[in-house]
Amino acid sequence: GEDVEQSLFLSVREGDSSVINCTYTDSSSTYLYWYKQEPGAGLQLLTYIFSNMDMKQDQRLTVLLNKKDKHLSLRIADTQTGDSAIYFCAEIYQGGKLIFGQGTELSVKP
Amino acid sequence: DTGVSQDPRHKITKRGQNVTFRCDPISEHNRLYWYRQTLGQGPEFLTYFQNEAQLEKSRLLSDRFSAERPKGSFSTLEIQRTEQGDSAMYLCASSPPPAGSGRPNEQFFGPGTRLTVL
Repeated sequence: GEDVEQSLFLSVREGDSSVINCTYTDSSSTYLYWYKQEPGAGLQLLTYIFSNMDMKQDQRLTVLLNKKDKHLSLRIADTQTGDSAIYFCAEIYQGGKLIFGQGTELSVKP
Repeated sequence: DTGVSQDPRHKITKRGQNVTFRCDPISEHNRLYWYRQTLGQGPEFLTYFQNEAQLEKSRLLSDRFSAERPKGSFSTLEIQRTEQGDSAMYLCASSPPPAGSGRPNEQFFGPGTRLTVL
């Protein structure tokens, strides 16, 4: 079935690294995504990874993909208070529909 | 630069009333998606259109829900005989025609319509 799971909360101190984890079910997904949602704002695509890649780095963001375990992670280096938000991982199905996880609320303390 | 817009942003209604939401996608985007997000959850897929054709509907979309995209541009989502369980944020997203291999088909989300059913 279609299921994407994430831990619900993460709290870090400013300057530390944050790691948000996700597990997914459909091994045929071509892309996996990370979206960010801030209060009162729409969903914003942060980054994505193609399914034949193990790692992708984009400035402070590092995405790791373990296809064998169907595990995806997002690492944010030097986390800032402005990074406080809810982060969703999502996998794409045929037709382009996205299946999202429940979201991980990241709280960054100064 | 005009993104995806949704109207209204907030809607409060009484149980049993009908409501209609509108989504205006980014122009030239041929795919349009509707999602529903309840508090503490991720968005759940409802339905999507390619141009004016509705290609997939989720089991979440009961008979009381109907979506249209008559001219392949804007879309409407109507909920008839609203129930308290319909209270949620309704999100619309659009995406361009699929690009070449190696590029994701990014969906651009609107700000959502928050529905409260009393």
